[in-house]
Amino acid sequence: EIVMTQSPATLSVSPGERATLSCRASQVISSDLAWYQQKPGQAPRLLMYSASTRATGVPARFSGSGSGTEFTLIISSLQSEDFAVYYCQQYTNWPLLTFGGGTKVEIK
Amino acid sequence: QVQLVESGGGVVQPGKSLRLSCAASGFTFSTYAIHWVRQAPGKGLEWVAAVWSDGVNKYYADSVKGRFTISRDSSKNTLSLQMTSLRVEDTAVYFCARDETNGWPDLWGQGTLVIVSS
Repeated sequence: EIVMTQSPATLSVSPGERATLSCRASQVISSDLAWYQQKPGQAPRLLMYSASTRATGVPARFSGSGSGTEFTLIISSLQSEDFAVYYCQQYTNWPLLTFGGGTKVEIK
Repeated sequence: QVQLVESGGGVVQPGKSLRLSCAASGFTFSTYAIHWVRQAPGKGLEWVAAVWSDGVNKYYADSVKGRFTISRDSSKNTLSLQMTSLRVEDTAVYFCARDETNGWPDLWGQGTLVIVSS
């Protein structure tokens, strides 16, 4: 089983600042990585796939990078609506999907 | 409106069964694989099961294999998850999500809460 590890667990950021979220896979997954945003009481929302491709409607302030085992999601200038929990998900073993434990982005 | 709507959650005793449903609308249901993903209270996301667009190929997480059964009825645009021998650790919000066989579910329902408790 591929284990996904996200860090940090919590990230405290001021509005307008940059947030950098990390995700590590326990084995090489090429670029088979997606990112999701989840707000309290809501379903996850797809942000990114193939590690660096923004999903439809996702603002350009979100960018993804990485391949192999190390991945990064950057939010260049945090807006109020961006405070949420973010999950990475690998699909190299599709349809068996595995998710990271999540990073909570909170207001500093 | 393009959406997935789950139903069937509730409170059930350990060892009992429950059937969840997911109704799709606004898109061609028969061309998508569909996943069930769950989230225990205050925890992260856990993949549970998936069914191919043909309804034949089905996959399960080890934690539910032999206890849960996924099925779909493309004539009715519905997906089901039959859950048996429920355990306390199955308590979670269960989401259905569509996947264009790419690996990244792009549309999720709002979820239905299952509580397994005596």
